[in-house]
Amino acid sequence: GENVEQHPSTLSVQEGDSAVIKCTYSDSASNYFPWYKQELGKRPQLIIDIRSNVGEKKDQRIAVTLNKTAKHFSLHITETQPEDSAVYFCAASTYSWGKLQFGAGTQVVVTP
Amino acid sequence: DSGVTQTPKHLITATGQRVTLRCSPRSGDLSVYWYQQSLDQGLQFLIHYYNGEERAKGNILERFSAQQFPDLHSELNLSSLELGDSALYFCASSVSSGTAQYFGPGTRLLVL
Repeated sequence: GENVEQHPSTLSVQEGDSAVIKCTYSDSASNYFPWYKQELGKRPQLIIDIRSNVGEKKDQRIAVTLNKTAKHFSLHITETQPEDSAVYFCAASTYSWGKLQFGAGTQVVVTP
Repeated sequence: DSGVTQTPKHLITATGQRVTLRCSPRSGDLSVYWYQQSLDQGLQFLIHYYNGEERAKGNILERFSAQQFPDLHSELNLSSLELGDSALYFCASSVSSGTAQYFGPGTRLLVL
């Protein structure tokens, strides 16, 4: 089955700096890659997603890149703000199965 | 607010008991997924229903079962509860397999 590895497990950044989280997946059939942000005690919130036919996608300060050959994808957050502090999860899925295989999560702390 | 609702928000019960968690998907979504989140296991996929039919199973214990009703709401039944079943249980919904999944607020289960 699919296995998703996520690094780093914790990430501390100064406000205004950039943050990068990397994930690798094992199943070459995976073709949908969402990212979720989860604040303490709350639901995972979809922040951006990318499909396998796209190499990069941006939404304001957030971008995701996908390298299908290397089977890895990354989340980039620019100009970080204290409200970006949360746990971020990457996930991989296939259109046919639908189930999300999550990475272990990255705790991001943005210090003012 | 994702549009996905879950009840109850909190549940405290004893070992050996049975509980039912309820989920109502976003309007128009036919797929419902159940995930378990615990500190040591992260976000784990349990089961996926599409328009009333089971589509995929993850590492769901035999003591757990689910169903999706004609009005598309879903219930997750947990029986013979053990201390290790204490976790956050999320449901998510999507239009179909392989599309964006939106999570409900979760049910926090504590087994004493």
